[in-house]
Parts: sequence; C-alpha cells; structure tokens
Amino acid sequence: NAGVTQTPKFQVLKTGQSMTLQCAQDMNHNSMYWYRQDPGMGLRLIYYSASEGTTDKGEVPNGYNVSRLNKREFSLRLESAAPSQTSVYFCASRSTGVGEAFFGQGTRLTVV
Amino acid sequence: EDQVTQSPEALRLQEGESSSLNCSYTVSGLRGLFWYRQDPGKGPEFLFTLYSAGEEKEKERLKATLTKKESFLHITAPKPEDSATYLCAVQAEANDYKLSFGAGTTVTVRA
Repeated sequence: NAGVTQTPKFQVLKTGQSMTLQCAQDMNHNSMYWYRQDPGMGLRLIYYSASEGTTDKGEVPNGYNVSRLNKREFSLRLESAAPSQTSVYFCASRSTGVGEAFFGQGTRLTVV
Repeated sequence: EDQVTQSPEALRLQEGESSSLNCSYTVSGLRGLFWYRQDPGKGPEFLFTLYSAGEEKEKERLKATLTKKESFLHITAPKPEDSATYLCAVQAEANDYKLSFGAGTTVTVRA
C-alpha cells in the first residue's frame, strides 16, 4: 500500500522556470492538500481540493496553481519560479469529515 | 484566523528523562486536534486525534491530552528513537477541510 506518492523528490530550478509537482494517493480519499514547510514556520497550506472537481486557496497561494486531475491525483504548478519558493513541499490526503491526513515524503525544491 | 503555537521550539532530553510538549490553540469551534511525528527528510506521520476536552490517547511512551485551550504530548522515559519533530494541528468546525499546523517541537533524546 503506497499511500501518498510525490514526484520528484528533489528539484533545482532557475528563477523564471516552470515545473509541476505530482501527487497521487491510493486510499480513495476525497480531500487532497498541498503544503509548504519552511524552517521555523511549520506547514502552511497552499491549496486544497475538498473533493474531485473543486479546488480552493489556502494561506499562501500566490505564485502557484493546482489541478485535481481525478480523485487520485492533485498536481501543483509553479509557472515562474522565484527564490522565495525554495521550500519543502508536501502533498496530503484525507477522507472528508474528521480524520487524520496522510502525507507524502515531500519534494525538496531549490530555486536559484 | 485559527492559531496554533507550540512550545518549546526545541527540547533536549537524556534517555529516561520524561517531559511534556505544549500546543496552545485558538479556533472557533474545535473539530479535532492532531499530533504528528516528523523525522528528518520525511513527511509527517500521524500519531493521535483528540476531539474533546478531557480526552487522552496513548501509544507506547507517548500520551496526548486535551483541554479547551491546549494540548500536551507527554513523553515518558524517552529513548533515542523518540528523537523527532512533533507537530500539532487543529481542524475548525467552520472549515473542516483545513488543518492548521504549529511550527513544531524538535525533540532530541541522548543515550
């Protein structure tokens, strides 16, 4: 049982380049999330998808776009990367209602 | 705006030296409070969910408790393998799709 799978694990981008972070879950969860984690700031929500076909902004959405491709997959796109987007990105999923979120292993992104 | 504050930021313990981590929260109607463990280079791993004041959950050397304003994670007789960052998150009734996280407490247990 793979759980939540993120690709790639590491990425270095030049300022202005674009890329898409991929996330897939095999737990039949309705809700999916993208977080970024920076030292001393904890996990901050970028975007979430409460169910297939819906997406909503979180705390720090600027510079990002998302696509809920189907129930399993939720991608995060950086259209024009900036050094401020250097961070570790985590995808998570959970069932609706009260329940724990399950996280992927993260993508460490460096923008130079 | 939901707020979660964890203290201390870092905790260094000797093996066997019990201690507690604090998670203070401000939320309009708590739906659930979650504790996670995060090892370096890994994603957060779920530990506990607490739903109402007075509730307690235990797992091995860890015990989580909840009041109306805060939660504690007690580590009893810790071992080096308990070294990790512990994260607290809350889910509000007003927006039950969102989890708001604290910055975490990094625990180091020396043998």
